[in-house]
Amino acid sequence: GNSVTQMEGPVTLSEEAFLTINCTYTATGYPSLFWYVQYPGEGLQLLLKATKADDKGSNKGFEATYRKETTSFHLEKGSVQVSDSAVYFCALRKGGFKTIFGAGTRLFVKA
Amino acid sequence: GAGVSQSPRYKVAKRGQDVALRCDPISGHVSLFWYQQALGQGPEFLTYFQNEAQLDKSGLPSDRFFAERPEGSVSTLKIQRTQQEDSAVYLCASSLAASGGADTQYFGPGTRLTVL
Repeated sequence: GNSVTQMEGPVTLSEEAFLTINCTYTATGYPSLFWYVQYPGEGLQLLLKATKADDKGSNKGFEATYRKETTSFHLEKGSVQVSDSAVYFCALRKGGFKTIFGAGTRLFVKA
Repeated sequence: GAGVSQSPRYKVAKRGQDVALRCDPISGHVSLFWYQQALGQGPEFLTYFQNEAQLDKSGLPSDRFFAERPEGSVSTLKIQRTQQEDSAVYLCASSLAASGGADTQYFGPGTRLTVL
């Protein structure tokens, strides 16, 4: 069946460091891929998405590229800030509306 | 513009009690979803409504779980005879479109259910 695997956290970085959170998926065909973010005390928010191979989603300095050949959708940011501290979820949706989430990766950014 | 709201935000129940969790989606949103999020895990799909029709309930873990959306707006997730394994955060989401694709789902803050 369809599934998402993302790197375990927590990830701890200093401010202005480069961020990569790995995400790989298992699905037939071409699912839509998403990154969601959950800030402390808040609900899940869509961060970015990509709907076809080689698409790049981007928002708030974060980027992720849909790689069909490696079934990956890694999240990157060139320079993280303390305010980026949150839990990040990779997710996929195929053939409808049911979204399948990874387990989440907690990011701590130190000043 | 109001987002998705859920009530109560926190619920403590004794094992065996029935609970009802409410979701108010964004006005005009056709699709409504319920997810269950266990501690340290990602959300897991429970059920989906398109207007008042429940089109998919494949994620409901047992027949103790029941969801409704009678007028195509507010939805209630009911859990009968709660068990400790039902302890989780229950998330509601809504989206504008009737079908999936990459339509954005907007999430509420969740209801944290603790079963003692």
